[in-house]
Amino acid sequence: QLQLQESGPGLVKPSETLSLTCTVSGGSISSSSYYWGWIRQPPGKGLEWIGSIYYSGSTYYNPSLKSRVTISVDTSKNQFSLKLSSVTAADTAVYYCARGNWFDPWGQGTLVTVSS
Amino acid sequence: AIRMTQSPSSLSASTGDRVTITCRASQGISSYLAWYQQKPGKAPKLLIYAASTLQSGVPSRFSGSGSGTDFTLTISCLQSEDFATYYCQQYYSYPITFGQGTRLEIK
Repeated sequence: QLQLQESGPGLVKPSETLSLTCTVSGGSISSSSYYWGWIRQPPGKGLEWIGSIYYSGSTYYNPSLKSRVTISVDTSKNQFSLKLSSVTAADTAVYYCARGNWFDPWGQGTLVTVSS
Repeated sequence: AIRMTQSPSSLSASTGDRVTITCRASQGISSYLAWYQQKPGKAPKLLIYAASTLQSGVPSRFSGSGSGTDFTLTISCLQSEDFATYYCQQYYSYPITFGQGTRLEIK
């Protein structure tokens, strides 16, 4: 059974870079034709797609975040990662990783707070 | 970007009721639509993909229909565990976009 788990700091200072990793277990990130995505949800609000990556490294990003986002993949560790630079309080959210273009399964999510 | 608009934004219903949530895309997306259920503090759960295909393990009281720009999610006989927030999502083109959500509450 495929499982995803987000990890990374829960608190990031304004103007710094948010870094999260999604570890995939129960299957290989490179063994099937799936994209792997990041989605976020500010407290009390809806879902926003951040971007997706294929195991080969091909990426798609949300234009609203594109200038600040980098998603990368490490097939040897069965992980993919998110970096979001120059964060502000508006980037405070629960960050999820998930498989596919229709997303399933999802990680449990991790709350990242941007505050000094 | 394709805008996804759900209606209603909130809905009150009773167990046993049949409810329908609508999702409209700002341009045609064929059948590239998914529906999710989210409960407080939990990750969204995939219910339906390809507009009408029920994800494995999802109860058959959930159903989806539509193509092009207009889609519906129907719950045929509400159970207590169905009270949650529901989101539609298009994956026809990047950027992937979600509806704003429909909160289904107990009447």
